[in-house]
Amino acid sequence: QVHLQESGPGLVKPSQTLSLTCTVSGTSITAHYWSWIRQPPGKGLEWIGYVDYGGTANYNPSLKSRVTISLAPSKTQFSLNLTSVTAADTAMYYCAKGDPGMDVWGQGATVTVSS
Amino acid sequence: DTQMTQSPSSLSASVGDSVTITCRASQSIGRFLNWYQQKPGKAPKLLIYAASSVQGGIPSRFTGSGSGTDFTLTISGLQPGDSATYHCQQSYSIPYTFGQGTKLEI
Repeated sequence: QVHLQESGPGLVKPSQTLSLTCTVSGTSITAHYWSWIRQPPGKGLEWIGYVDYGGTANYNPSLKSRVTISLAPSKTQFSLNLTSVTAADTAMYYCAKGDPGMDVWGQGATVTVSS
Repeated sequence: DTQMTQSPSSLSASVGDSVTITCRASQSIGRFLNWYQQKPGKAPKLLIYAASSVQGGIPSRFTGSGSGTDFTLTISGLQPGDSATYHCQQSYSIPYTFGQGTKLEI
């Protein structure tokens, strides 16, 4: 059974970098597409980007200058880095597997941007 | 970006009823349309991919149809556990985009 788990700081200061890791179990990370999606409190879903099984990433242009998604050398994790955060980046962050449909999701990690 | 518009934004129905949720794309997306169910405090769950293919483990009460710009999700024989927010998502062009969600109350 495939399982994804997000981890990382729940509180990030404005202007700093948000870093999250998604740990994958039950499947090979080199066999699928891996996405990050976020959901601000009370709002809809926003696709941040994905990295494919070969390590090639595609990003939402609205975040492209600030975001990096990459496969970790461990081959069981992939990561999200979002630089220069503001309060607008406060959200639940989900990692997910698959493309075109994202068929397995992590439980989500709440990230608050505040000083 | 391809804008996805869902209607209605919310609806209420009774156990046993059937409901249809509509998703319209601002440009043609072929059949690159997915539907998700999200319950409060939980991650979204994939119901339908490629417009009409039912994800494994999802009851056949959930059906999707459409192509191009107009898509529908129909839920028949509503059950109390179907109370949730339903999201459509296009995976035709980057950035992938979601509809604003439809909240279904049973």
